[in-house]
Amino acid sequence: EAQVTQNPRYLITVTGKKLTVTCSQNMNHEYMSWYRQDPGLGLRQIYYSMNVEVTDKGDVPEGYKVSRKEKRNFPLILESPSPNQTSLYFCASSFGTGGYGYTFGSGTRLTVV
Amino acid sequence: DQQVKQNSPSLSVQEGRISILNCDYTNSMFDYFLWYKKYPAEGPTFLISISSIKDKNEDGRFTVFLNKSAKHLSLHIVPSQPGDSAVYFCAASGGNDMRFGAGTRLTVKP
Repeated sequence: EAQVTQNPRYLITVTGKKLTVTCSQNMNHEYMSWYRQDPGLGLRQIYYSMNVEVTDKGDVPEGYKVSRKEKRNFPLILESPSPNQTSLYFCASSFGTGGYGYTFGSGTRLTVV
Repeated sequence: DQQVKQNSPSLSVQEGRISILNCDYTNSMFDYFLWYKKYPAEGPTFLISISSIKDKNEDGRFTVFLNKSAKHLSLHIVPSQPGDSAVYFCAASGGNDMRFGAGTRLTVKP
């Protein structure tokens, strides 16, 4: 089944404790992206990657890191999480931008206390 | 700077009637517009898209209309079904990113 898999689904952590949210896709998509969803703000892009070893900042990259060492994986790293990073996170992949619809993962609900 | 806006947080319609979801954008450089549907505890699912060179695209019960001069698009669902109850996100694509609106919660009552 074609899918984007995110882990974990739920995570509660403390301020400053480094964490990684994994994302993997099995569709051989070149484009991958991370979004966060907050009430009233919709989905805001954190980082995206056009291909292996090619990443770029989205609208809200502060406090986040990403890497794209393999085509299928695109982990999101929070080096020192803070409470304002409490949010619902989605990973997405696509053959490209333009009119290609994204395939989204099921989401990771992160709470930073 | 929200370049894509959905001004109606919620919409309620009767089963069998038409649902019309609206979206406005500010950046005339967007070249594709998309609609996604999201159920609780799931990621958004791509529904339908339209190129900026077209004014209408239809897929079964779903039709998207684009008015470039007004920088406005809408999604029509006819007839609406209870299973259509979800949050609908409008999105606009240009260059390497995709911008999303805040979403409209559609409730279809039996």
